[in-house]
Amino acid sequence: EAQVTQNPRYLITVTGKKLTVTCSQNMNHEYMSWYRQDPGLGLRQIYYSMNVEVTDKGDVPEGYKVSRKEKRNFPLILESPSPNQTSLYFCASSSQDGYEQYFGPGTRLTVT
Amino acid sequence: DAKTTQPPSMDCAEGRAANLPCNHSTISGNEYVYWYRQIHSQGPQYIIHGLKNNETNEMASLIITEDRKSSTLILPHATLRDTAVYYCIAPHPYNTDKLIFGTGTRLQVFP
Repeated sequence: EAQVTQNPRYLITVTGKKLTVTCSQNMNHEYMSWYRQDPGLGLRQIYYSMNVEVTDKGDVPEGYKVSRKEKRNFPLILESPSPNQTSLYFCASSSQDGYEQYFGPGTRLTVT
Repeated sequence: DAKTTQPPSMDCAEGRAANLPCNHSTISGNEYVYWYRQIHSQGPQYIIHGLKNNETNEMASLIITEDRKSSTLILPHATLRDTAVYYCIAPHPYNTDKLIFGTGTRLQVFP
């Protein structure tokens, strides 16, 4: 089954404790991205990657890092999480010549 | 990206057609219109997209006006499971991977 998976689905952590949210897709898609969703603000893009070893900032990249060492994986790293990064996070992927983006199930992060 | 405007909420009776409007008066000639929906807090789901011709797939129909300034997403026989937030998006043609989600239309299907 074609899918985008994220782990963990729920995470409660404390300020400053480094964490990684994994994202993996099994569709051989070139493009992957991360969004965060906050009430009243819709989904905002954090980082995106056009292919392996190619990443770029989205609209709200501050406080986040990403890497794309393999085509299927695109982890989101929070080196020093802060409470304003409490949010619902989505990973998405698409093929270069496709119109449809596939989204993961989401990761609900709470930073206290 | 063309700015899109949608009503914040709509209701629809189960079994009836749900018609969700979207205004995109600043859309350029080569910008597609995409529709996604998000059920509760799940990941957004692609529904349909179009340029200037009407489109239909197994989920919905998309009617785009001749001047392309507005469009309507039609769910022909709405079910309770269609209750969701529906997003109309018109990404830049050279950056169709970057989707800018607004606040969308919250569709409530009632029995």
